[in-house]
Amino acid sequence: GQNIDQPTEMTATEGAIVQINCTYQTSGFNGLFWYQQHAGEAPTFLSYNVLDGLEEKGRFSSFLSRSKGYSYLLLKELQMKDSASYLCAVRPSRGSTLGRLYFGRGTQLTVWP
Amino acid sequence: EAGVVQSPRYKIIEKKQPVAFWCNPISGHNTLYWYRQNLGQGPELLIRYENEEAVDDSQLPKDRFSAERLKGVDSTLKIQPAELGDSAVYLCASSLGQERSGSYEQYFGPGTRLTVT
Repeated sequence: GQNIDQPTEMTATEGAIVQINCTYQTSGFNGLFWYQQHAGEAPTFLSYNVLDGLEEKGRFSSFLSRSKGYSYLLLKELQMKDSASYLCAVRPSRGSTLGRLYFGRGTQLTVWP
Repeated sequence: EAGVVQSPRYKIIEKKQPVAFWCNPISGHNTLYWYRQNLGQGPELLIRYENEEAVDDSQLPKDRFSAERLKGVDSTLKIQPAELGDSAVYLCASSLGQERSGSYEQYFGPGTRLTVT
């Protein structure tokens, strides 16, 4: 089966930096996505990694190590509006699940003033 | 550009009743997904369409769930009869291309929150 693990909750203060980790074990690997989901709203796309390394997009960066089955999402200069659930999703590359995204349970981030 | 549209936003029904959800994807998006999201969990795929063909429905409980995507645009998801455990948010998403490769991000609709009593 597919296994994606991320912490359930994290807290941080405004202006700080927070790193949300994600580890995965899947049938091969063909891309990792990060989504943000505010309470009661739809998930929205943040980043995509398929090669090792860091992808930077404004205040948000995402890192991938395929050999370690590991990714993290880095949020800088935290703002109150960043309080949300952050979902890690992996796309396997083999078997009947080809093309499907598997989501972790999400990390609920709370940003305090 | 309009996003993914879903209706209704909320639905409360008694167990054993039928229920249907409707989704209109972003114009031009060939791939459509239905997900179920339980409280405190990530979305789980129920079915994926490429145009009007269901290409991945292995997670769909076919004894009570059915879906269709006529003409490769709008889609409906039906549950008959509903059970207490079906209470969840049902999300529809769409994307431009086939999900076998590439960064084809999925655009999600606001979801339908179903409560079965």
